[in-house]
Amino acid sequence: EAQVTQNPRYLITVTGKKLTVTCSQNMNHEYMSWYRQDPGLGLRQIYYSMNVEVTDKGDVPEGYKVSRKEKRNFPLILESPSPNQTSLYFCASSLYGASTDTQYFGPGTRLTVL
Amino acid sequence: GDSVTQMEGPVTLSEEAFLTINCTYTATGYPSLFWYVQYPGEGLQLLLKATKADDKGSNKGFEATYRKETTSFHLEKGSVQVSDSAVYFCAAFSGTYKYIFGTGTRLKVLA
Repeated sequence: EAQVTQNPRYLITVTGKKLTVTCSQNMNHEYMSWYRQDPGLGLRQIYYSMNVEVTDKGDVPEGYKVSRKEKRNFPLILESPSPNQTSLYFCASSLYGASTDTQYFGPGTRLTVL
Repeated sequence: GDSVTQMEGPVTLSEEAFLTINCTYTATGYPSLFWYVQYPGEGLQLLLKATKADDKGSNKGFEATYRKETTSFHLEKGSVQVSDSAVYFCAAFSGTYKYIFGTGTRLKVLA
């Protein structure tokens, strides 16, 4: 089954404790992206990747890092989480990142930073 | 910068009512436009899309037409069902690998 998976689905952590949210897709997609969803703000793009070893900032990259060492994986790293990073995070992928491509979303990771 | 504005919700309708959710965009060039739907506890799913002016996207009874002159992409459905209750997001993709989403509109359909 074609899908985007994220782990963990739920995470509660404390300020400053490094964490990684994993994202994996099995569709051989070149384009992958991370979003955060906050009430009243909709989805905002954090980082995206056009292919292996090629990443770029979205609209809200501060406090986040990403890496793309393999085509299927695109982990999101919070090196020193803060409470304002409490949010619902989604990973997504599409074939080439072209304007006509469909993005497929993962189920989401709900992060709480205390 | 690029932006997408959609009507605030929640929108509450009775079953079989007509639905319109407004969406307008500002972008350089001619972006592709999308409507995504998010059911409770799930990720977003593509509902429909249009990639150029005057294109009409349609799926599951929902429709939206890309209007360049009014920079709009309003979502419509002639007869909503309880199962359509969800959050709907309008989005634009301007060709620079970046997606811009609206704030989402929650739809609640009552039996």
